[in-house]
Amino acid sequence: GENVEQHPSTLSVQEGDSAVIKCTYSDSASNYFPWYKQELGKRPQLIIDIRSNVGEKKDQRIAVTLNKTAKHFSLHITETQPEDSAVYFCAAMGSSNYKLTFGKGTLLTVNP
Amino acid sequence: EAGVTQFPSHSVIEKGQTVTLRCDPISGHDNLYWYRRVMGKEIKFLLHFVKESKQDESGMPNNRFLAERTGGTYSTLKVQPAELEDSGVYFCASSSNRGGSEQYFGPGTRLTVT
Repeated sequence: GENVEQHPSTLSVQEGDSAVIKCTYSDSASNYFPWYKQELGKRPQLIIDIRSNVGEKKDQRIAVTLNKTAKHFSLHITETQPEDSAVYFCAAMGSSNYKLTFGKGTLLTVNP
Repeated sequence: EAGVTQFPSHSVIEKGQTVTLRCDPISGHDNLYWYRRVMGKEIKFLLHFVKESKQDESGMPNNRFLAERTGGTYSTLKVQPAELEDSGVYFCASSSNRGGSEQYFGPGTRLTVT
């Protein structure tokens, strides 16, 4: 089955800096890659996603890149703000099912 | 539009007892999923309903877990009898009937088995 590795497990940055979280996946048939943000005590919230026919997608301060050949994808947050502090999860979904396989999460702390 | 809701938000039970978790998906979403996050680990898939039918239950840990979705609306997940290792946060998610579409998560039920 699919396996998703996520790094780093914790990331601390200064406000205004950029943050990058990286994930690798094992199943070359996976074709949908969402990113979720979970603030303390709240639900995982879908913040951006990318499909396998696209290499990069941007939405204001966040962007996701996908390298299908290397089977890795990354989340980039620019001009970080304290409210970006949360646990971020990457996930992958295969083409033949609806099951999301998640990484273990990255605790991002943005220091004012 | 209301999001995915789950009840209860927290449940503390003793080993051997029964607990039933409920999920109400976004209205009109045919796909409903259950996931679980055990402390410090990744969110893991449990099962997937399409309307009232179980499409994929490959993630269900054992026969102590029973999920239902009568009428294709809300779903319940029953754990009977509960064991210590069942502790964790149980998430429900839903998506529309388009393939590969976005999954929207509920706030989760934190289950503690003592």
